[in-house]
Amino acid sequence: DTAVSQTPKYLVTQMGNDKSIKCEQNLGHDTMYWYKQDSKKFLKIMFSYNNKELIINETVPNRFSPKSPDKAHLNLHINSLELGDSAVYFCASSQSQGLHNSPLHFGNGTRLTVT
Amino acid sequence: ELKVEQNPLFLSMQEGKNYTIYCNYSTTSDRLYWYRQDPGKSLESLFVLLSNGAVKQEGRLMASLDTKARLSTLHITAAVHDLSATYFCAVEAGFGNEKLTFGTGTRLTIIP
Repeated sequence: DTAVSQTPKYLVTQMGNDKSIKCEQNLGHDTMYWYKQDSKKFLKIMFSYNNKELIINETVPNRFSPKSPDKAHLNLHINSLELGDSAVYFCASSQSQGLHNSPLHFGNGTRLTVT
Repeated sequence: ELKVEQNPLFLSMQEGKNYTIYCNYSTTSDRLYWYRQDPGKSLESLFVLLSNGAVKQEGRLMASLDTKARLSTLHITAAVHDLSATYFCAVEAGFGNEKLTFGTGTRLTIIP
């Protein structure tokens, strides 16, 4: 009955490869996000989708492409992986656009290591 | 661009002591959130502060918001080991913005 679930939990891959991370939420939320947490624990938003529509697209290399097939799913595809992409990627969801006073619900994170 | 700063970055304190974590932000906002993260784990929502003067308490933790000073505090009373974690504040950049800017985090270690 996990609220926001991500797969895989760990991902180790070589430079230049392409990989995907999947996220699903069963909270009935309309908005989903991808956040990146670097080695210093700094968290930064990457993308936000509201009901399958891209709302936030921060300054992220275009090697990163989110896809939302429906409002319960938000996947992240990364092309041509680089060493600097190593981080923990968190998926999150919120009740509606504008947060509307409700906190984000985070998944357990995907630890990506690029060698 | 909204900047959110926390201090201290690292805090080591003894059980039973009180301490305060500070969160300063650079632009007007009246929506501030506190999260807790245990090592290798996800982020857990602690408090949602929605107006100037808001105060929320849960167990040994109390959070407050002063929007005029652009400051939030997280006060820990009579710390216990279970409170060891990294604490983040996060500020919503503007109503309807749905974008949270996170602080740098405060890594709290409670020593028995």
